[in-house]
Amino acid sequence: DAGITQSPRHKVTETGTPVTLRCHQTENHRYMYWYRQDPGHGLRLIHYSYGVKDTDKGEVSDGYSVSRSKTEDFLLTLESATSSQTSVYFCATGPQSSLGGYTFGSGTRLTVV
Amino acid sequence: DQQVKQNSPSLSVQEGRISILNCDYTNSMFDYFLWYKKYPAEGPTFLISISSIKDKNEDGRFTVFLNKSAKHLSLHIVPSQPGDSAVYFCAASESGTYKYIFGTGTRLKVLA
Repeated sequence: DAGITQSPRHKVTETGTPVTLRCHQTENHRYMYWYRQDPGHGLRLIHYSYGVKDTDKGEVSDGYSVSRSKTEDFLLTLESATSSQTSVYFCATGPQSSLGGYTFGSGTRLTVV
Repeated sequence: DQQVKQNSPSLSVQEGRISILNCDYTNSMFDYFLWYKKYPAEGPTFLISISSIKDKNEDGRFTVFLNKSAKHLSLHIVPSQPGDSAVYFCAASESGTYKYIFGTGTRLKVLA
C-alpha cells in the first residue's frame, strides 16, 4: 500500500546487535501497530501506538521497544537481536472504525544469524 | 493461549466450487471480526468484516457467518477462483480496543 512504507525490506544482522525497523505512513492514522509473522503462529502483535508518544505492549513484546515521536513514524527496535527474532515484521495503521480493519505495509524480512 | 484459532492449516478446492474457511475464538468479549487475505511477499489485505450484532455479512463472492453461541465464524467464497489462492487470516477484537488478535492462518489453494 502506497500509504505505508516499511524500511528496510530485508535485513540480515548478527546476534547481539541492535536493529531498528521503520514504518512511515502518509494516511494520518492515529493508530499504528507492529506484528510479526511466523509459521504456525500467524500474526502476533508486538507493540502498538494510539498516538504520538502513546504506546503499549502486545502479545509478544519481550525484547522489543518502540517509539513514536511523530504521527507518521513508528519505530521498532530490537535492543539485542536473537535468532528467535528472525521473522517477517509487518507494520499496520488504522483502523478508522472497528469494522474497517488495518492497512498493512509490505513487511520487513529480518534474519538474525 | 491462542484466543483465535484456525484449525485447518490448508485447504484445496476446485475452481468454481465453494471454499469454506473456519475460525474459532475463546474470548466472549470479542465484538468485531475481520478476514484478511495474504499473498506471498505482500502485506495482508482486508477482505470483509462483521460485528457481533449480525450473523452474516456479504460482499460479492465473499460471505462471513458468525455464530456467537458457538464462538465460531466462517468465510465462504463462491465461486472460488485461482486468484483466491492465498493465506487467509481471521482476526477479532473487543469493542473500543482497536487491537486485533489474529489466527494462525489457512492456506487456500484453488485448483484450475
